[in-house]
Amino acid sequence: AQKITQTQPGMFVQEKEAVTLDCTYDTSDQSYGLFWYKQPSSGEMIFLIYQGSYDEQNATEGRYSLNFQKARKSANLVISASQLGDSAMYFCATVGGTSYGKLTFGQGTILTVHP
Amino acid sequence: DSGVTQTPKHLITATGQRVTLRCSPRSGDLSVYWYQQSLDQGLQFLIQYYNGEERAKGNILERFSAQQFPDLHSELNLSSLELGDSALYFCASRLSGGVTGELFFGEGSRLTVL
Repeated sequence: AQKITQTQPGMFVQEKEAVTLDCTYDTSDQSYGLFWYKQPSSGEMIFLIYQGSYDEQNATEGRYSLNFQKARKSANLVISASQLGDSAMYFCATVGGTSYGKLTFGQGTILTVHP
Repeated sequence: DSGVTQTPKHLITATGQRVTLRCSPRSGDLSVYWYQQSLDQGLQFLIQYYNGEERAKGNILERFSAQQFPDLHSELNLSSLELGDSALYFCASRLSGGVTGELFFGEGSRLTVL
């Protein structure tokens, strides 16, 4: 079974600054994937970034990067140069090799970007 | 635009009624997942289909059922609706049913049971 823990219910950041959203995971699978999704107030789930457990380099997608520390079982999301439009709920999720591709989600972190 | 299409976007109905939510996956994606998001339960996996066959089941109530058709679109049927079924229902798709690759979500169907 997989478990995701997001310990920050809410985070605040100043526009143009960087912010790190924490995520720790627990899995017994040797092969697994880690995801981050953004959910704005309108409700849709927007895929941000993916990291495979065997990927040696941290994943990056534009202003998003995933700080993958396998030994610590952490997969923190770093957003550089925050924008007002980044204000949203952010979910970390994992999929394990024995789970047929179904994702297990954390409880989410609400990010608020101040001007 | 994720490429996953869900209809209807909003639905209001009464207790005891039955509704059907529809999902068209991204072109080429064989795997479809249904999730329920409610305020108290968070995001819960309901069921997964891969190329027309049920692959995995999660916290899906017996009153709920789903299927994936030969053209790969999927439907989630919710019957004998209760107030607690009010939630945002997401469909997601990906090419495979394994570990690798992104999972793309539709915009969701917001169900309100009165």
